[in-house]
Amino acid sequence: EKVMTQSPATLSVSPGERATLSCRASQSVSSNLAWYQQKPGQAPRLLIYGASTRATGIPARFSGSGSGTEFTLTISSLQSEDFAIYYCQQYTQWPLTFGGGTKVEI
Amino acid sequence: QVQLVESGGGVVQPGRSLRLSCAASGFTFTTYAMYWVRQPPGKGLEWVAFISYDGREEFYSDSVRGRFTISRDNSKNTLYLQMNSLRGEDTAVYYCARDSVEFSPYANMDVWGKGNTVTVSS
Repeated sequence: EKVMTQSPATLSVSPGERATLSCRASQSVSSNLAWYQQKPGQAPRLLIYGASTRATGIPARFSGSGSGTEFTLTISSLQSEDFAIYYCQQYTQWPLTFGGGTKVEI
Repeated sequence: QVQLVESGGGVVQPGRSLRLSCAASGFTFTTYAMYWVRQPPGKGLEWVAFISYDGREEFYSDSVRGRFTISRDNSKNTLYLQMNSLRGEDTAVYYCARDSVEFSPYANMDVWGKGNTVTVSS
């Protein structure tokens, strides 16, 4: 099983600032990495797939990078609606596995 | 619009069974693989089960294999999760989700239901 580790667990930032979230895989997942955003009481929302491709309707301030075992989600200028928990997920091998999440807070 | 609506959750005693349903609308259900993902209270996401678009292929997490069964009725545009021998650690919000690519699995999820709560407690 590929273990996904996200850091930091909590990221405190101010609106307008840049946020950088990390995701590390225990073994290479190539570029088979997705990022999701989840707000309280809501379902997750797909942001990024293929490590760097934005899903339909996702603003350009969200960008993903990396391959192999090290990945980054960057939010270039945080908006109020971006405060949420972010999860990475690998899909190179069954079982699909998620990271533990990074909470982005004010 | 594209929509997934889960139903069938509730409170159930340990060892009993429950069946979740997920009604799909607004897209061609028969061409997409589907998933169940769960989230225990206050915790992160856990993938539970996968079924291919035609129902011929299934995969399960180790934690539910042998107890849960995923299925689909393409004539009714509905996905199911039969949960048997339920345990306290199965308590979670259960989401159904659609694969992002037709006919794959590509294995990431672009459409999610709002979730349905299952509580296993005596």
